[in-house]
Amino acid sequence: TQLLEQSPQFLSIQEGENLTVYCNSSSVFSSLQWYRQEPGEGPVLLVTVVTGGEVKKLKRLTFQFGDARKDSSLHITAAQPGDTGLYLCAGGYFGGSQGNLIFGKGTKLSVKP
Amino acid sequence: DVKVTQSSRYLVKRTGEKVFLECVQDMDHENMFWYRQDPGLGLRLIYFSYDVKMKEKGDIPEGYSVSREKKERFSLILESASTNQTSMYLCASSLGGTDLYEQYFGPGTRLTVT
Repeated sequence: TQLLEQSPQFLSIQEGENLTVYCNSSSVFSSLQWYRQEPGEGPVLLVTVVTGGEVKKLKRLTFQFGDARKDSSLHITAAQPGDTGLYLCAGGYFGGSQGNLIFGKGTKLSVKP
Repeated sequence: DVKVTQSSRYLVKRTGEKVFLECVQDMDHENMFWYRQDPGLGLRLIYFSYDVKMKEKGDIPEGYSVSREKKERFSLILESASTNQTSMYLCASSLGGTDLYEQYFGPGTRLTVT
């Protein structure tokens, strides 16, 4: 059974701080997505990484896919209250049913002004 | 932009009622999915469909059925609602081919069964 472990589960920081969220697995993924979900809303796709070692930046957010394509990280620089939400990673895996993703349970981030 | 809409944002039903949740996507996506999301359990896949009239069971299909008569529409049916089906229900769609794994979600339906 493929699993994606996210850490930490909860993170509460002050505005302006930096943070990193991790997504780890023992399985190899063909691609990995990061989503952000606000309370009462559906997840919104932030980024997809597909190549081992790939780094993508989205304003103050930096996403990295591990060289072996088993793990990923999300780094936020100078966090703002608008970054508050649940961050989910999800992996597409070889041999899986068409289009299916494995989701982590998420990291709940709270950024206080 | 991909748009996935769900028929209701909030729904309150009684135990034993038949419940229909509808999802529509406007981007001609082949794949559609139904999840439920519960605290501590994350997203769990109920059913998915990769073509019209095709359906596949996900991880927790018991107590649910689905229907996909048109490409853009995927319905989730709770045959006889029970209190343990109180949850947030999320619909998603994805394009086949090279973007196979990017899923786009609707806003969710918060279902309460009393």
